[in-house]
Amino acid sequence: KAGVTQTPRYLIKTRGQQVTLSCSPISGHRSVSWYQQTPGQGLQFLFEYFSETQRNKGNFPGRFSGRQFSNSRSEMNVSTLELGDSALYLCASSLERYTGELFFGEGSRLTVL
Amino acid sequence: AQKVTQAQTEISVVEKEDVTLDCVYETRDTTYYLFWYKQPPSGELVFLIRRNSFDEQNEISGRYSWNFQKSTSSFNFTITASQVVDSAVYFCALSEAGNTGFQKLVFGTGTRLLVSP
Repeated sequence: KAGVTQTPRYLIKTRGQQVTLSCSPISGHRSVSWYQQTPGQGLQFLFEYFSETQRNKGNFPGRFSGRQFSNSRSEMNVSTLELGDSALYLCASSLERYTGELFFGEGSRLTVL
Repeated sequence: AQKVTQAQTEISVVEKEDVTLDCVYETRDTTYYLFWYKQPPSGELVFLIRRNSFDEQNEISGRYSWNFQKSTSSFNFTITASQVVDSAVYFCALSEAGNTGFQKLVFGTGTRLLVSP
């Protein structure tokens, strides 16, 4: 069965621009969460969506936002990009919120120049 | 506050050696969950194991084994007879119970394991 699909895999933006990243969870999975991975801060939780509602949010500024659609696909958006937003953004899905197993995609690598 | 510490930044071993990856955690909750994930060069995190705070039984899965000790707040991971394919970054993670679900994980900084032939 297809895994978690993230698009685009790589992208380059300049400061001040905005970016939208997409995540298609495994078929049947209803929970989607997002993580940011950087060499300096490591893996940090961004937010979680379940049934089109944000259930949890990490400690990130309001420039980071997301949403989930009725088919469980999710997007995250970062506005007014800063150099520090350069990172690997990982999406993970699970059947429900308490299954304990997150299936991760290969990530979207964002470079901000 | 929750915290996960993986003091070993990088470990290099030769194939067939046994290797143990250390994980120490901090939490004020009495109910919590511990995880190990593997991140190969391709980038995706692969789930290896979940343990809840009430289950201190050690677990073995093939060449992998985990030692959970609440008394020392540790959840160590041992690979027996390591193979080149085990080369990856390994992350230990913690999730507290309650209505946060299992999605909000606090990760350690990871241990890069390099297994050479």
